[in-house]
Amino acid sequence: QKEVEQNSGPLSVPEGAIASLNCTYSDRGSQSFFWYRQYSGKSPELIMFIYSNGDKEDGRFTAQLNKASQYVSLLIRDSQPSDSATYLCAVRSNTGGFKTIFGAGTRLFVKA
Amino acid sequence: SAVISQKPSRDICQRGTSLTIQCQVDSQVTMMFWYRQQPGQSLTLIATANQGSEATYESGFVIDKFPISRPNLTFSTLTVSNMSPEDSSIYLCSAQGGEGYEQYFGPGTRLTVT
Repeated sequence: QKEVEQNSGPLSVPEGAIASLNCTYSDRGSQSFFWYRQYSGKSPELIMFIYSNGDKEDGRFTAQLNKASQYVSLLIRDSQPSDSATYLCAVRSNTGGFKTIFGAGTRLFVKA
Repeated sequence: SAVISQKPSRDICQRGTSLTIQCQVDSQVTMMFWYRQQPGQSLTLIATANQGSEATYESGFVIDKFPISRPNLTFSTLTVSNMSPEDSSIYLCSAQGGEGYEQYFGPGTRLTVT
């Protein structure tokens, strides 16, 4: 079982729709959760992080965390073609030296 | 947030040679990391660069092949030694900072070995 799992996609949504990106993790002791955006040929860029159960909003982005279900998601409202990228979920685990584990990413395609 | 620069941004090298990649952070950070990423693939952690001590390598990566230095809290280097075409990849430097222990990434070094 992978430590951080994401659907590889591609996830295709029309412009203006809500894109929902999901991530599950295996370590119940994980404390911090991150979403990164990576455009093709570029390095990962931090979008936001969350460490409390519930929702955290930042502009068009909302991160949702459910530690009981070991599930974290990212919602992108009013999706734009410029949101087309690979989204990486990352989890900071309390095991193995407090390492941050990255998922393989979900490719999002927003159709104009 | 931390702003990270890397040099070189890209290079084409012959097999058997070595390349040293430099990483500079604009502020002092406790943790620095080196990753490798093949196009379209996920990030692979090579090692954690420890200030004042030897780097901590992940399974499959060894110091002789990927020596790392970290002389202070803002700078690190990764050397790719005795290169082969299989070492062709993007190498990313990362630094950890902030209240959430978030990581920031440099722009990457695109290495091609011929």
